Amino acid sequence: EADIYQTPRYLVIGTGKKITLECSQTMGHDKMYWYQQDPGMELHLIHYSYGVNSTEKGDLSSESTVSRIRTEHFPLTLESARPSHTSQYLCASSEPGGRAKNIQYFGAGTRLSVL
Amino acid sequence: AQKITQTQPGMFVQEKEAVTLDCTYDTSDPSYGLFWYKQPSSGEMIFLIYQGSYDQQNATEGRYSLNFQKARKSANLVISASQLGDSAMYFCAMREEGGNNRLAFGKGNQVVVIP
Repeated sequence: EADIYQTPRYLVIGTGKKITLECSQTMGHDKMYWYQQDPGMELHLIHYSYGVNSTEKGDLSSESTVSRIRTEHFPLTLESARPSHTSQYLCASSEPGGRAKNIQYFGAGTRLSVL
Repeated sequence: AQKITQTQPGMFVQEKEAVTLDCTYDTSDPSYGLFWYKQPSSGEMIFLIYQGSYDQQNATEGRYSLNFQKARKSANLVISASQLGDSAMYFCAMREEGGNNRLAFGKGNQVVVIP
């Protein structure tokens, strides 16, 4: 079972506000990921991290930023929210590399609405 | 180019019947992994089943099985004895060995189980 937690589950906020979406995992996984998903659509990788102090941009350009100061914590920040940021944001983590399955386990997601 | 293709329209399936969800993939990497995830209306992504490119046998996990046809580059999910709780979106995803454990997702298949 995966132990990965995202808060808040739902967030409605006005344009221009700074927001931070929280993601924490208790599995000691090195790799963590943020995906963006519009309703009924596929997931797009926006950020990932291989460990502490490691962050990389994903396949989909995003105005958000991330940090990885602790293994278990991978927050995502939007400095100035806009209506175009309205989406669901999903956080995931996985075990180290090699020929293992490297299953990504997901949190419950944050549904963000920017008015 | 799209790495994962899921093109079936939304599907209605009778309770207790089996359903097959199609997934084709595109890669030139000889080593890769294929995953299926379930996403209920609540939004979380639930890992269902994994198939490695070198696995000789089709993967099975309870009522889920994966029909892996490597030469055709297809990895169809079969859900046997459908239950009402199986109503959800189902996503096929691929991880390439050279992809740093990043997952590419398909657009998903909508399944509605009717009593």
